[in-house]
Amino acid sequence: DAGVIQSPRHEVTEMGQEVTLRCKPISGHDYLFWYRQTMMRGLELLIYFNNNVPIDDSGMPEDRFSAKMPNASFSTLKIQPSEPRDSAVYFCASRPTPAHGYTFGSGTRLTVV
Amino acid sequence: GESVGLHLPTLSVQEGDNSIINCAYSNSASDYFIWYKQESGKGPQFIIDIRSNMDKRQGQRVTVLLNKTVKHLSLQIAATQPGDSAVYFCAENIPPSNTGKLIFGQGTTLQVKP
Repeated sequence: DAGVIQSPRHEVTEMGQEVTLRCKPISGHDYLFWYRQTMMRGLELLIYFNNNVPIDDSGMPEDRFSAKMPNASFSTLKIQPSEPRDSAVYFCASRPTPAHGYTFGSGTRLTVV
Repeated sequence: GESVGLHLPTLSVQEGDNSIINCAYSNSASDYFIWYKQESGKGPQFIIDIRSNMDKRQGQRVTVLLNKTVKHLSLQIAATQPGDSAVYFCAENIPPSNTGKLIFGQGTTLQVKP
């Protein structure tokens, strides 16, 4: 299995632009999570899905952030418009059941200038 | 200006020594715990897990100890190697288990001196 696949690995964009981050979870994993990691706040859970349905989006910072999971093999995290304070590493993770740990992707390093 | 960030605890050990990384978890009802290792530029990687009905679990060169009385988790690494240098996170699963969500600690940096 290729693991959790995220793209792009790096993204540099100008303030005000739309950014879309992509994730392909491990096949058969029913849970998908989006995390943000910064030096200031560590690992923060933004949103997670179970069987493609958003379960908890209380960590999404504001309306500029949105996430979708149109099918079991694909999810997106969108920021529109982006701001410099959104600069961070964004991780996607998946797990088969709550009785198992997460498998993380390699992350997308986002820089908003 | 000066940047302000999380001040992660740092453990510095000599290559070949044993390392012990500690974690205080938040919820006495947590039923499942995991240790992750994060190397620079990479995502967190699963190391070992333990369920609340156990107090010790061993893997290859790693042992996790769980003390539910004081809500404490530790990771022991035997014969620490330079490749063990990373940030280590503990994570807990807070019931109801079917939420599927893990809560992560802030992390501890392990530095291995050659």
